[in-house]
Amino acid sequence: GIQVEQSPPDLILQEGANSTLRCNFSDSVNNLQWFHQNPWGQLINLFYIPSGTKQNGRLSATTVATERYSLLYISSSQTTDSGVYFCAVVTTDSWGKFQFGAGTQVVVTP
Amino acid sequence: KAGVTQTPRYLIKTRGQQVTLSCSPISGHRSVSWYQQTPGQGLQFLFEYFSETQRNKGNFPGRFSGRQFSNSRSEMNVSTLELGDSALYLCASSLFTTNTEAFFGQGTRLTVV
Repeated sequence: GIQVEQSPPDLILQEGANSTLRCNFSDSVNNLQWFHQNPWGQLINLFYIPSGTKQNGRLSATTVATERYSLLYISSSQTTDSGVYFCAVVTTDSWGKFQFGAGTQVVVTP
Repeated sequence: KAGVTQTPRYLIKTRGQQVTLSCSPISGHRSVSWYQQTPGQGLQFLFEYFSETQRNKGNFPGRFSGRQFSNSRSEMNVSTLELGDSALYLCASSLFTTNTEAFFGQGTRLTVV
């Protein structure tokens, strides 16, 4: 099956810093989403981005499907950005099955 | 519009018992999928339903089963609970099975004692 690798596994930032999270995947995908898991466990949608670039406030994401990677940018980080960020993909033959990466644990310090 | 609703939010069961979890998708969404999250294994796919049919199944024992009703609400059942079944169970809904954005519920945290 498809492999999804996220890097770095852990990230400690000072408030106001910028950061880039990376997601590499080993096969063609028709769905790629970035999620932020809140302290209560819910996965909050950040981006639905199987290809291209999107921006939402201080967050933006880029997926280069031909090179099989996606990047999530966090600018001017805030303490509320702390948590685990997951990249999840669906391949063309895996009917509704998300394959998740292991996540990046982000800690933003005041 | 209302999001994905999972009930109950928390559950404590004894080893050997069975449990049923419920997921109500976003109105109009026809695909519901289930995931198990544990510290050791991360997020793992259980199964996916579309229009009452199971379209895909993960690598879990037969103790894990599910179904989807005509109103797209879904239930998953775990029989003969084991300590290792303690986990956060998440469901996701989407309009179709592929090429559409999925939205997750708040999860059901199951503890087996």
